[in-house]
Amino acid sequence: DAGVIQSPRHEVTEMGQEVTLRCKPISGHNSLFWYRQTMMRGLELLIYFNNNVPIDDSGMPEDRFSAKMPNASFSTLKIQPSEPRDSAVYFCASSLGVSGELFFGEGSRLTVL
Amino acid sequence: SQQGEEDPQALSIQEGENATMNCSYKTSINNLQWYRQNSGRGLVHLILIRSNEREKHSGRLRVTLDTSKKSSSLLITASRAADTASYFCATGTANNNDMRFGAGTRLTVKP
Repeated sequence: DAGVIQSPRHEVTEMGQEVTLRCKPISGHNSLFWYRQTMMRGLELLIYFNNNVPIDDSGMPEDRFSAKMPNASFSTLKIQPSEPRDSAVYFCASSLGVSGELFFGEGSRLTVL
Repeated sequence: SQQGEEDPQALSIQEGENATMNCSYKTSINNLQWYRQNSGRGLVHLILIRSNEREKHSGRLRVTLDTSKKSSSLLITASRAADTASYFCATGTANNNDMRFGAGTRLTVKP
């Protein structure tokens, strides 16, 4: 299995631009998580899906952030408009079942100038 | 929601020594998991211990769980320079897939 695949690996954009991060979970996994990691805040859970349905989005910072999972093999995290404080590494992870082992992608490093 | 809190924040040891990291949490759990993160990489699962287990081993890793104290420890024996990384704990519940992580322990193993 190729593991969790995230794209892009690096993105540099200017404030106000729309950013879309993509994630392909491991085939057969039914839970998908989006995390954000910064030096100041550590690893924050933004949102997670179970069977493609968003279960808890309380970690999404504000309305500028949105996440979708149109099918079991694809999810997006969108930031519109982006701001410099959104600069971080965004990780996607997937798992099988409740409280199962999480498999992480390599992350998308976002820099907003 | 669950969230593990690791301590110490940073630990520096010599190669060959043992490294112990601790994790505390606040509410009832179904399991507790330890992860490792090398600089610039994603987290990698190390070991999972269920709430009805007290100790678990995997290679040079030993994990203990004390549900009465709501704490866990990760012991890495005979450390190597390649063990240099950040280590995180995360807790899961029976009904909730809400896996949250603490700030982690940054381990440096000097050759």
